[in-house]
Amino acid sequence: NAGVTQTPKFRVLKTGQSMTLLCAQDMNHEYMYWYRQDPGMGLRLIHYSVGEGTTAKGEVPDGYNVSRLKKQNFLLGLESAAPSQTSVYFCASSMTNTGELFFGEGSRLTVL
Amino acid sequence: AQSVAQPEDQVNVAEGNPLTVKCTYSVSGNPYLFWYVQYPNRGLQFLLKYITGDNLVKGSYGFEAEFNKSQTSFHLKKPSALVSDSALYFCAVRAFGGSQGNLIFGKGTKLSVKP
Repeated sequence: NAGVTQTPKFRVLKTGQSMTLLCAQDMNHEYMYWYRQDPGMGLRLIHYSVGEGTTAKGEVPDGYNVSRLKKQNFLLGLESAAPSQTSVYFCASSMTNTGELFFGEGSRLTVL
Repeated sequence: AQSVAQPEDQVNVAEGNPLTVKCTYSVSGNPYLFWYVQYPNRGLQFLLKYITGDNLVKGSYGFEAEFNKSQTSFHLKKPSALVSDSALYFCAVRAFGGSQGNLIFGKGTKLSVKP
């Protein structure tokens, strides 16, 4: 009963380094999302996907790239990390366009 | 443009008392409205949603919310608070017919329930 799994849970990067966050869901959901959560800012959508092979920009897409090569996986990449990308990142999925979101446990990223 | 506001950063309630966490929204057309809860160091969990129909929506853990179209509000309520309800609560909204990419979250309200 895994639901939505994010790896890694914690990561420290130096400015300019790259990394990829992996999100995997085992619920056969069509929709997947990447959010970032910052104190006092709530959740802001970075990118999302409405199905395998599709991606779309959210509210704060700059500095991030995503891929959805398989239905169950949604990858978030940082090509050149910046301190402003220090945040907690949440992946989520939903079955339908109106359905509730199921969230992972979060990935805490620190960029020095 | 869509927006959602949670006017209180923190709500303090004594255990056993009723609680209300406020949410107001602005969308074009009819809204889809959601409440989520986040416990420390965890992801968000779905509580309840309003899509259409009865204005009073019942959800998980004894929570309910009332959709008020004239006041554009969707306040979260519980008749009797528990210490275990202490968490961060998020309201979210998007317009009917809009994409999931347009789901907007409020900044969150921290609920503190004291024994």
